[in-house]
Amino acid sequence: DARVTQTPRHKVTEMGQEVTMRCQPILGHNTVFWYRQTMMQGLELLAYFRNRAPLDDSGMPKDRFSAEMPDATLATLKIQPSEPRDSAVYFCASFKANTGELFFGEGSRLTVL
Amino acid sequence: GEDVEQSLFLSVREGDSSVINCTYTDSSSTYLYWYKQEPGAGLQLLTYIFSNMDMKQDQRLTVLLNKKDKHLSLRIADTQTGDSAIYFCAESLNDYKLSFGAGTTVTVRA
Repeated sequence: DARVTQTPRHKVTEMGQEVTMRCQPILGHNTVFWYRQTMMQGLELLAYFRNRAPLDDSGMPKDRFSAEMPDATLATLKIQPSEPRDSAVYFCASFKANTGELFFGEGSRLTVL
Repeated sequence: GEDVEQSLFLSVREGDSSVINCTYTDSSSTYLYWYKQEPGAGLQLLTYIFSNMDMKQDQRLTVLLNKKDKHLSLRIADTQTGDSAIYFCAESLNDYKLSFGAGTTVTVRA
C-alpha cells in the first residue's frame, strides 16, 4: 500500500538543540502538509507545499521553524533552536489534487526537555 | 469562521451502531473527511465525501452530509471493540487545507 513515511517516529532532545523531521509523501501526490498535534491546541496546520513550492507557512514560528521540499520525494521540517513548548506530534500529509485523498503519516513524536 | 465542532465523547455497546456528529462552517468546503486515531498512532483516513454528495457508504461506514445545515455524520454499523478510538471530522478549506474538530472519543463497551 502507498503510504506517507515519516522519520524519526520518536525524538527526545534537549532545549536548544536542532531537530529535523523528514517526510516522504506518496508518489504522485503534489501537495504536502505539515501539521502539529497537541492536547491543548489539537491539530494545527504549520505549512504546506504544492509541486514543491511553499504556499503558506503562516502557521509556524518563523524565527525557529523552517520547512523545505528539496525534491518531490522529501519534505523536511526543522526546528532550531528547539524549546519545550515544541513538544508535540508532528504529522506530514500528502494529497492528490482532484481525488480528495489526503493521507497522513504516522507522525514524529517530539519531546524537548 | 473555520470552526468544526463535534461532541467529545461517545460510549456505545458492542454490536450497536455508533453515530458521530459534526458541524462545520465553510459552505465552500470541497471535501469533508473522517479520520480515526488510535492511541499513539497516526491519523487513518476512514472515508471522505465530496460536497455535491449527500451520502456515501463503505462497508460498515455511512457518511451523511446535510449541506444546508452544514452537518456531517458518521455511522458505524455493528460497532466492534477495535472501533474504540478518537474520530476526527475535518473540512477542506481553500487549497485543500484541513480544519479539524477536536475529536470524538468513542468507547465500545462489551
